[in-house]
Amino acid sequence: RKEVEQDPGPFNVPEGATVAFNCTYSNSASQSFFWYRQDCRKEPKLLMSVYSSGNEDGRFTAQLNRASQYISLLIRDSKLSDSATYLCVAYTDKLIFGTGTRLQVFP
Amino acid sequence: DAGVTQSPTHLIKTRGQHVTLRCSPISGHKSVSWYQQVLGQGPQFIFQYYEKEERGRGNFPDRFSARQFPNYSSELNVNALLLGDSALYLCASSPGAPLETQYFGPGTRLLVL
Repeated sequence: RKEVEQDPGPFNVPEGATVAFNCTYSNSASQSFFWYRQDCRKEPKLLMSVYSSGNEDGRFTAQLNRASQYISLLIRDSKLSDSATYLCVAYTDKLIFGTGTRLQVFP
Repeated sequence: DAGVTQSPTHLIKTRGQHVTLRCSPISGHKSVSWYQQVLGQGPQFIFQYYEKEERGRGNFPDRFSARQFPNYSSELNVNALLLGDSALYLCASSPGAPLETQYFGPGTRLLVL
């Protein structure tokens, strides 16, 4: 079983749609959690950290449920520029990445 | 400010050869980590260095080695290359504690023929 699991997608959504990505992690000792965004053939870039209280950055909302070992990312009012792969990440003593969920937003 | 830089950007090698990849962290950052990303997968942790000492090692064979220099730059070495070593090799730097805040360089794309 992978330490961080994500639905690989792809998620194909129209502009303006709301899309949600889910992720589970297996190591209960994981201390911190993140969502990274990776564009095709580019490096991952930190999108946001994830906290139990939930956090929001503009159209993006991330949530952590430690009891269920579950992380989510919600994107509202999707833009064409949101098309990318979204990587769920857990940190113990190193960053553990999920496989990534691919999002394609179409006009 | 310059971000994390890596060299070379692309590399083609043949099986059995050796390769050295280089990384310069963001100015002031003291930690460097290396990751391997094969197509369709997330990055896999290889090594982490902090203040020139190895702080972590992933599940990679001994053919993979790394070091960090006094100026905090780093090298990743891979010996006896296999076809399966073809991947994007990413370097990430951290300012220090906490080490989980990492910024990635553009990567070196390695193709082994």
